[in-house]
Amino acid sequence: DSGVTQTPKHLITATGQRVTLRCSPRSGDLSVYWYQQSLDQGLQFLIQYYNGEERAKGNILERFSAQQFPDLHSELNLSSLELGDSALYFCASSVSLGAAENTEAFFGQGTRLTVV
Amino acid sequence: AQKITQTQPGMFVQEKEAVTLDCTYDTSESNYYLFWYKQPPSRQMILVIRQEAYKQQNATENRFSVNFQKAAKSFSLKISDSQLGDTAMYFCAFRGGADGLTFGKGTHLIIQP
Repeated sequence: DSGVTQTPKHLITATGQRVTLRCSPRSGDLSVYWYQQSLDQGLQFLIQYYNGEERAKGNILERFSAQQFPDLHSELNLSSLELGDSALYFCASSVSLGAAENTEAFFGQGTRLTVV
Repeated sequence: AQKITQTQPGMFVQEKEAVTLDCTYDTSESNYYLFWYKQPPSRQMILVIRQEAYKQQNATENRFSVNFQKAAKSFSLKISDSQLGDTAMYFCAFRGGADGLTFGKGTHLIIQP
């Protein structure tokens, strides 16, 4: 158990809908990262938050957004869903921010999103 | 942008044998970390080993070791005395600066009894 909790584990929804994925980081971790794993794109970094503020953006679509709340949990919002958004969405957390420090990231078990 | 290349889509190895998974990367950064993650059928992403770019000594974790060649931008993973539980997808990953991890496409390692 990594200590990172993601809910729900599975989600099935229709095209055009909006969903929210939730992540609770390990106790004490200030950084939260979101990743998407799909068959065609592989594992891609989407976005990072550190102590409530957005710190880095990767290949995140404009239809997707995220936020980190004062209690450090994070939510990833996916809207106007398309079939191609079907993927495994991972959240990861780490203590620190940058490459100069301890950057070990612990991953949650992922949310499997299926868009039909 | 960083690029991670894993050229071995799949590998079959007999139990107890050693196996090496290859990874090369491309970056202009001087301070970075390299990682190998394992993803078993459960889909959990598990950190196997980590290497700091400024350290010349290769990292080791029990049966797992790396061969880090900074000048060649190569970061291979050696698994000694392979076990059935080592069957998984193995991803090489890079992190520099404050961005998230950049992953390779993975190598599917199957350990056969």
